[in-house]
Amino acid sequence: DTAVSQTPKYLVTQMGNDKSIKCEQNLGHDTMYWYKQDSKKFLKIMFSYNNKELIINETVPNRFSPKSPDKAHLNLHINSLELGDSAVYFCASTQRGRQTQYFGPGTRLLVL
Amino acid sequence: DQQVKQNSPSLSVQEGRISILNCDYTNSMFDYFLWYKKYPAEGPTFLISISSIKDKNEDGRFTVFLNKSAKHLSLHIVPSQPGDSAVYFCAAKLTGNQFYFGTGTSLTVIP
Repeated sequence: DTAVSQTPKYLVTQMGNDKSIKCEQNLGHDTMYWYKQDSKKFLKIMFSYNNKELIINETVPNRFSPKSPDKAHLNLHINSLELGDSAVYFCASTQRGRQTQYFGPGTRLLVL
Repeated sequence: DQQVKQNSPSLSVQEGRISILNCDYTNSMFDYFLWYKKYPAEGPTFLISISSIKDKNEDGRFTVFLNKSAKHLSLHIVPSQPGDSAVYFCAAKLTGNQFYFGTGTSLTVIP
């Protein structure tokens, strides 16, 4: 009965590959996010979706594409992976108008 | 441009004493401020929040203070317990559910 789950938890891959990270929430929230935590521990928002619609898209390379098939899922697809993409990626969800975000456990991506 | 800053990457406190974690921000349009706690290999979990129209919010051992004129907030934990050892993130929210996080402060409570 995990509230926000992410798969996979760890991902090691070669430069140039394409990979996806999946996120699901069972809280009934209508807003979901992707964050990137880099080596400096800075937690930076990448995307936000509200009711399957993109509402925030920070300056992220277009190699990153979020996909929201329904309100409970927000997947992150990354094309042509680069060394600098190595980071921990967190998914989060909230109900619009509320202040509290619920985070997934993170996906540790290592690009070799 | 980092709108939320936590200038102390780490803090060590004796068990039973007060822990004070600090956070500074630059955007006066933030309407809510939050503190999250993070254990290794887990996602951040919500701890306590405060509206921009208040200056203090208390929840058990945790109190958050907001000084809007200084654009500064702090989290007080008293008494500190070894289980409080974690990384604490300060976050600020704009209307429209856009959140900005600091880089975190690693708190170690020494038994």
